[in-house]
Amino acid sequence: DAMVIQNPRYQVTQFGKPVTLSCSQTLNHNVMYWYQQKSSQAPKLLFHYYDKDFNNEADTPDNFQSRRPNTSFCFLDIRSPGLGDAAMYLCATSRGVTAQETQYFGPGTRLLVL
Amino acid sequence: QQPVQSPQAVILREGEDAVINCSSSKALYSVHWYRQKHGEAPVFLMILLKGGEQKGHEKISASFNEKKQQSSLYLTASQLSYSGTYFCGTPITGIIQGAQKLVFGQGTRLTINP
Repeated sequence: DAMVIQNPRYQVTQFGKPVTLSCSQTLNHNVMYWYQQKSSQAPKLLFHYYDKDFNNEADTPDNFQSRRPNTSFCFLDIRSPGLGDAAMYLCATSRGVTAQETQYFGPGTRLLVL
Repeated sequence: QQPVQSPQAVILREGEDAVINCSSSKALYSVHWYRQKHGEAPVFLMILLKGGEQKGHEKISASFNEKKQQSSLYLTASQLSYSGTYFCGTPITGIIQGAQKLVFGQGTRLTINP
């Protein structure tokens, strides 16, 4: 089945130690998104790629970076994780960026910062 | 710009009905509804594209009142499996011309008891 896959599902890191989260998709969608979701809150968009074009949200900290080496894969790099970065990180994809496009979410990676 | 959902939480007995509302201060071109179970990714339920449009998914249906800038999600004869947090998402213009990105409401937590 076509799907959005995230690895790892759980990640524990130390304060200040860089971490990379991975997302892959078999849907062949043009757009890939990274969201941060803290407990009992809505998903918050960090950035997204439309093909190779990178779009950063204005309030996304510089500590968060992303790479999309090809259509199928997208990575979230947190250069120096702080305690406040502990959250669920959700990857999503869509065919396009118009108002009627559905976003499909991966299972998420839960990040714990010690 | 974040849409506002009401109520914030609902507790029902199995078989009862519920209505979740989503309203925006800006013009809406579409409304997306998702359900998220604890510790899992949001799952797409439906998208409404036109004012007055109504859709159904199992015993869950939704309406979209474009003029009032709001949408409502109706859960009829609720089942235990309907428990979770429901999010509405509304598109806002992104950086790329014509591009839309979703902003999610704060969520409505639905608990169904036997």
